[in-house]
Amino acid sequence: SQTIHQWPATLVQPVGSPLSLECTVEGTSNPNLYWYRQAAGRGLQLLFYSVGIGQISSEVPQNLSASRPQDRQFILSSKKLLLSDSGFYLCAWSSGTVTAFFGQGTRLTVV
Amino acid sequence: AQTVTQSQPEMSVQEAETVTLSCTYDTSESDYYLFWYKQPPSRQMILVIRQEAYKQQNATENRFSVNFQKAAKSFSLKISDSQLGDAAMYFCARPNFGNEKLTFGTGTRLTIIP
Repeated sequence: SQTIHQWPATLVQPVGSPLSLECTVEGTSNPNLYWYRQAAGRGLQLLFYSVGIGQISSEVPQNLSASRPQDRQFILSSKKLLLSDSGFYLCAWSSGTVTAFFGQGTRLTVV
Repeated sequence: AQTVTQSQPEMSVQEAETVTLSCTYDTSESDYYLFWYKQPPSRQMILVIRQEAYKQQNATENRFSVNFQKAAKSFSLKISDSQLGDAAMYFCARPNFGNEKLTFGTGTRLTIIP
């Protein structure tokens, strides 16, 4: 069966520090991969979308970037975090069935 | 932009009773998918149920069922025999045309009253 792993679960980072969140999927090949952000008490906003290695679509201009170095690995990064980057980040995957399955999420607090 | 609208920010229901959460959407497609996701306090998004628009029959998963009204572009979620573990945020979602990126509604917070 397919599983998705996302880490870390919680992260507190100072303003101006770098960020790296990682997501990996097991049990499937060539999945579509997604990074979503959820601000407190609000819905989900799609940040990045990838259909294959090295193929990244950015949905919202921002301080973040994404990379897909391997088929089932998706990384969310920032060179310098802003206070506004705080939020809950969710990685997800889909393939064929048009259903997105989500990781457990990372709660990021920028201080 | 394609939208998904959940008009009920909060709902509450007595344990063992039935509750219905509303969702409307816009689309110009004839065939598409619709989803309900549950987000408990752990904040992981969990797929509750999926509906394919070309299917006439409403989807059902145990105590969860949908009322899909294609002409009205309405997709409500019915939870029967509500349990304390059903307390969560519920999000309605649909893929954008031509891809699998999901557009989510703003969510409904469901409280279960013991």
